[in-house]
Amino acid sequence: TQLLEQSPQFLSIQEGENLTVYCNSSSVFSSLQWYRQEPGEGPVLLVTVVTGGEVKKLKRLTFQFGDARKDSSLHITAAQPGDTGLYLCAGRNLHGSSNTGKLIFGQGTTLQVKP
Amino acid sequence: DAGVTQSPTHLIKTRGQQVTLRCSPKSGHDTVSWYQQALGQGPQFIFQYYEEEERQRGNFPDRFSGHQFPNYSSELNVNALLLGDSALYLCASSPLRTKQETQYFGPGTRLLVL
Repeated sequence: TQLLEQSPQFLSIQEGENLTVYCNSSSVFSSLQWYRQEPGEGPVLLVTVVTGGEVKKLKRLTFQFGDARKDSSLHITAAQPGDTGLYLCAGRNLHGSSNTGKLIFGQGTTLQVKP
Repeated sequence: DAGVTQSPTHLIKTRGQQVTLRCSPKSGHDTVSWYQQALGQGPQFIFQYYEEEERQRGNFPDRFSGHQFPNYSSELNVNALLLGDSALYLCASSPLRTKQETQYFGPGTRLLVL
């Protein structure tokens, strides 16, 4: 069974601080996606990383895919209250049949940024 | 361009009852996946439909069944509801034919079983 473990599960910081969320697995994924979910809404895709070692930036958010495609990290610089939400990583099964779309999610990291 | 829509938004049922949840995929998408998200947890894959057939299934009992219609919309049915079925049920669509990996999620249906 493929599992994704996210850490930390909860994070409460002050506005302006930096933070990193980790997503780890013993399994290899063909790609990994990061989502942000707000209460009462579905997850919204932030980024997809595909290549081992890949780094993508989205404004103050930096995403990295591990060289072995087993882990990923999300770094937020100068966090703002608007960054508050549930951050989810999701891996795509490398050995599934072509493009079946099954995503394996981590348990999520709840981020609270206080003004 | 309408995104993924789901209905109803909220639902309250009692143990033993049956429920049907509905999903309309994003325009141009032909594949629908269903996920269950318990409070404070990440979504868990239930199953995926493409060409009106169940293509892949997660670790959920047979009480969970689904259907996909010719217009690509989908239903999730849960029989003999248990208290533990209380969760947010998410539908996600993707364009299988173009082999894009991105899944777009709907807002979900919040199911409460009493």
